[in-house]
Amino acid sequence: QSALTQPASVSGSPGQSITISCTGTSSDVGSYDLVSWYQQHPGKAPKLLIYDVSNRPSGVSNRFSGSKSGSTASLTISGLQAEDEADYYCSSYTSSSTSWVFGGGTKLTVL
Amino acid sequence: EVQLVESGGGLVQPGGSLRLSCAASGFTFSSYAMHWVRQAPGKGLEYVSAISSNGGSTYYANSVKGRFTISRDSSKNTLYLQMGSLRAEDMAVYYCARELAVGATKGHLDYWGQGTLVTVSS
Repeated sequence: QSALTQPASVSGSPGQSITISCTGTSSDVGSYDLVSWYQQHPGKAPKLLIYDVSNRPSGVSNRFSGSKSGSTASLTISGLQAEDEADYYCSSYTSSSTSWVFGGGTKLTVL
Repeated sequence: EVQLVESGGGLVQPGGSLRLSCAASGFTFSSYAMHWVRQAPGKGLEYVSAISSNGGSTYYANSVKGRFTISRDSSKNTLYLQMGSLRAEDMAVYYCARELAVGATKGHLDYWGQGTLVTVSS
């Protein structure tokens, strides 16, 4: 199965908001609300930020929010902070393999 | 405290086999689905496999289907990944991860291990 499509990089200044898109197909994002978002700092394991498109696990800042429209999911980070600089990945269930698929990842740079 | 500790990685020749283990502690292992995710050096995350909480359902990425087998032993609180017919493109850090919700298998991974490196080379 093909990876979900994410922009390779995004950037923003402290205090600003940014949005990362995650484009799939009718076999994955378009048909299932099983979308997750993860943050990964260099050399570290990923951290779950968003599940079921828009829900935050306990302990995750409300600066992180998720949404979906059609086959594109989005992660918005508001009030950017230096520690938000990391790689971000989306994930979705896919019927094409009855498994899951990740996006290619987006590197966020806080200017 | 939830802990996931992978082991079993190492150097293997193309075509060879390897079994990864993931020792779980700090939670009721038999209540949660478990997953394997890998990351090639300098690359993004790639989904590998999942197993439901009771072991009755398994899921595989197309890239490993027929070559890898996921299993679990609740008496040992351990998750396994038997890898066979290994290829250069299987070289990666392999992470085990826990499903977020009890009993569900939805691909929401809330706890991750530190990973174990598998190197495929002659």
